[in-house]
Amino acid sequence: AQSVTQPDIHITVSEGASLELRCNYSYGATPYLFWYVQSPGQGLQLLLKYFSGDTLVQGIKGFEAEFKRSQSSFNLRKPSVHWSDAAEYFCAVGARNAGNMLTFGGGTRLMVKP
Amino acid sequence: DGGITQSPKYLFRKEGQNVTLSCEQNLNHDAMYWYRQDPGQGLRLIYYSQIVNDFQKGDIAEGYSVSREKKESFPLTVTSAQKNPTAFYLCASSIDAIYTFGSGTRLTVV
Repeated sequence: AQSVTQPDIHITVSEGASLELRCNYSYGATPYLFWYVQSPGQGLQLLLKYFSGDTLVQGIKGFEAEFKRSQSSFNLRKPSVHWSDAAEYFCAVGARNAGNMLTFGGGTRLMVKP
Repeated sequence: DGGITQSPKYLFRKEGQNVTLSCEQNLNHDAMYWYRQDPGQGLRLIYYSQIVNDFQKGDIAEGYSVSREKKESFPLTVTSAQKNPTAFYLCASSIDAIYTFGSGTRLTVV
């Protein structure tokens, strides 16, 4: 069975600073990988996804993520954070042989200092 | 516009009552899911359905029930057997492993 770990429960960065949110997964084959963002009291919105091919994927709102098979990681990055990026971020992994079911990490809450 | 609609946005339940949360999608997705979200605990899967008239228990199905009589609809009933139902509930549908989420229902026991 697949699993996802987001080691950082809370992260605070200053507006304009760079951001990296960590995600590690456990899965025997090449997984599907996703990052979602959730604003308070709202549903989850897809930021980006990796299925295959280029290991650096671009998403919406200026985010990108890099799949590193050797490290079983799929870290989310943004070069310059905006106050509106304050939210909770979820990494998820899906398995081709499990009906495309997703397993979600516990989430990382991002706070942005002015 | 295609999407998922959850209603109501806020719901209050008295002790011992059953309540039903609505989830409707017009995305023509076969698969639908219900998640429960508590502070600091991420998303936990309650039930899922890969096709009409079929559904499976997730990790925390006790005290919940679902039906899937139509492709578009996947209502969740929180029964009196659920001892701690206060939470934020999210419905999702998917195609090709890409999930679309509703905006959630916050259920509070009063």
